[in-house]
Amino acid sequence: AQSVAQPEDQVNVAEGNPLTVKCTYSVSGNPYLFWYVQYPNRGLQFLLKYITGDNLVKGSYGFEAEFNKSQTSFHLKKPSALVSDSALYFCAVRASGGSYIPTFGRGTSLIVHP
Amino acid sequence: KAGVTQTPRYLIKTRGQQVTLSCSPISGHRSVSWYQQTPGQGLQFLFEYFSETQRNKGNFPGRFSGRQFSNSRSEMNVSTLELGDSALYLCASSPGQGTSNQPQHFGDGTRLSIL
Repeated sequence: AQSVAQPEDQVNVAEGNPLTVKCTYSVSGNPYLFWYVQYPNRGLQFLLKYITGDNLVKGSYGFEAEFNKSQTSFHLKKPSALVSDSALYFCAVRASGGSYIPTFGRGTSLIVHP
Repeated sequence: KAGVTQTPRYLIKTRGQQVTLSCSPISGHRSVSWYQQTPGQGLQFLFEYFSETQRNKGNFPGRFSGRQFSNSRSEMNVSTLELGDSALYLCASSPGQGTSNQPQHFGDGTRLSIL
């Protein structure tokens, strides 16, 4: 079985400050990890993924994520937050060689204050 | 390349009715998945179709069903609607074969409201 935990329902950060949205996972075997963002009344948009290789993955809109195998974590980061980054963020995991269906976390609402 | 298209965007129904939602995947994608999103339950997987066959199924009652056509377009049907079926229904497509490291591409959803 595979699972994802996003321990924070909401993250608040001031514009210009760095942001981190946390994600931990559990999966049998090697993980494929994904981050998605959802704006109001829209579907989920793909931000970035970790498959293998470098632990620091760079994605769209200046976001990056750090894969930590020992801590089974895949935290989303951005050096300088924008008000327009305010949205709902989802982490997802699939097992390498497993089902094509990912398991999603419950989502974290990011609020960037001007 | 056109994205995933879901129709209609908004739908209002009453209890007991049935509804059909439509999803057109990205050209060349053969896997279509459906999700229900509600504030309380988050994103819940309904089912996945690949090459006209249901390949995976979530934990939903039989009132929820779907199908996929030869052009990979998919429909989802909900019968005997209940108030709790009010949700945003999202469709996602992916190549669906080879390695499972490809992301899913989501449509903007159909917001279903049950009165």
